[in-house]
Amino acid sequence: DTAVSQTPKYLVTQMGNDKSIKCEQNLGHDTMYWYKQDSKKFLKIMFSYNNKELIINETVPNRFSPKSPDKAHLNLHINSLELGDSAVYFCASTSRGLAGSAGLETQYFGPGTRLLVL
Amino acid sequence: AQSVTQPDIHITVSEGASLELRCNYSYGATPYLFWYVQSPGQGLQLLLKYFSGDTLVQGIKGFEAEFKRSQSSFNLRKPSVHWSDAAEYFCALNTGGFKTIFGAGTRLFVKA
Repeated sequence: DTAVSQTPKYLVTQMGNDKSIKCEQNLGHDTMYWYKQDSKKFLKIMFSYNNKELIINETVPNRFSPKSPDKAHLNLHINSLELGDSAVYFCASTSRGLAGSAGLETQYFGPGTRLLVL
Repeated sequence: AQSVTQPDIHITVSEGASLELRCNYSYGATPYLFWYVQSPGQGLQLLLKYFSGDTLVQGIKGFEAEFKRSQSSFNLRKPSVHWSDAAEYFCALNTGGFKTIFGAGTRLFVKA
C-alpha cells in the first residue's frame, strides 16, 4: 500500500501547454511539499502546505500553482510550460510532530513525476 | 543563511570496502540533520537523523553518522558496502520549521 503516490509517473508535453501533477498520501500527515529536482539531482523546495494552508512559497514562477483540496492531497498545476520546467517533481509529506519539532519529522517522498517539455 | 555542502559529487568504492560520505553545514546553532538515500528512479528514503544527544547516530541498512559540532559536519559511514548501496545520498538540514535544505547529493558507485 503506497504511502505517498504521484500521478502521472511520466509526463511528456509541448512548450506552452498546461499540465497538472497529483499527489496523495495515506499516512494521515498534516504537511505536504513539492520539490523540484533538476538534471544535476539538486533538490529544491517549491511549496509546502500544512492543514491545507500554504506555509512555504519559494521563489517559483507564478505559472506554478499548488492546490490542496484536503490534507491528503496536494496537486501542482503548471501553466504555459517552458523547456526549463523539465525536471523530476517530488511530493513529500510529514506529520506535524510535537509542538516546536516539525523540523525533526521524517519526510516521506513519492516516487516522482518525470516531466519533459519539448 | 543556512546551507549544506556535500563536497563529493561522486564516490566509487569496492564492494566490501568501508564508506564515508562527507557533509558540512552552515548554521549558527545545532540544526536537525538528516541523511536520505535515493535509489535510481525512486523517491528519497530516510537513512537516519540527528537532533540532540549522542553524536553517533545509527540508521537503517547498517549506516551511521557522526555529528561534529566543531567541524560543522555530519558524515555518513558504513563499514562494508554492498552493491545495493549504489545510489544518490543527500544530506539535509532543518532549523526547526517546515523548510528542509538539501545538499547537492553524492552519487555512490560500487564496483565488484
